[in-house]
Amino acid sequence: DTEVTQTPKHLVMGMTNKKSLKCEQHMGHRAMYWYKQKAKKPPELMFVYSYEKLSINESVPSRFSPECPNSSLLNLHLHALQPEDSALYLCASSHGQGKGENNEQFFGPGTRLTVL
Amino acid sequence: QQQVKQSPQSLIVQKGGISIINCAYENTAFDYFPWYQQFPGKGPALLIAIRPDVSEKKEGRFTISFNKSAKQFSLHIMDSQPGDSATYFCAASMNSGYSTLTFGKGTMLLVSP
Repeated sequence: DTEVTQTPKHLVMGMTNKKSLKCEQHMGHRAMYWYKQKAKKPPELMFVYSYEKLSINESVPSRFSPECPNSSLLNLHLHALQPEDSALYLCASSHGQGKGENNEQFFGPGTRLTVL
Repeated sequence: QQQVKQSPQSLIVQKGGISIINCAYENTAFDYFPWYQQFPGKGPALLIAIRPDVSEKKEGRFTISFNKSAKQFSLHIMDSQPGDSATYFCAASMNSGYSTLTFGKGTMLLVSP
């Protein structure tokens, strides 16, 4: 199984709502990533978890709160978002060790988030 | 230092032609260079990747050429097909445990029938 799954596929929320995005992989990967992608732009790294510990937070506003309950699951909790946060949110995973092709990142299909 | 420059921004190629996308980097610590293909509304999919100790890698119709001294690498798509129409991102990373990808800005490829 070389798949990263993400739910939901689409999410519409108001600025006062609380919602969560979910990501799952069963490849035994120990590094998991959240990216934000705006239209016609490359993915922009938000968070990296390595062995279930938060390793990188790219100065993301606190209205985005990541969580890694176990090595297969990654959540992104959303609260009090702004319309400019509307984007495609991508999850990825990699082995978490080794170099080059042994540490390639596999991306999920993304969650299309719209904030009204 | 962390930037990866990608060109062209968009590309139109006739069916059967060769598509060429170029990338350049500054940071010599990068040691892994993947290309991702992304269709609208989908996540990026790894297409092909190369390490700097190799000058060329070919997988089917896709070839990466790598010039370490010039700090440039390129993707060639031979016999381009309409189904190849997508956005292509080059990337570079320094692997140490988890990898953090530095992406180019992307190239929108349209292969006309």
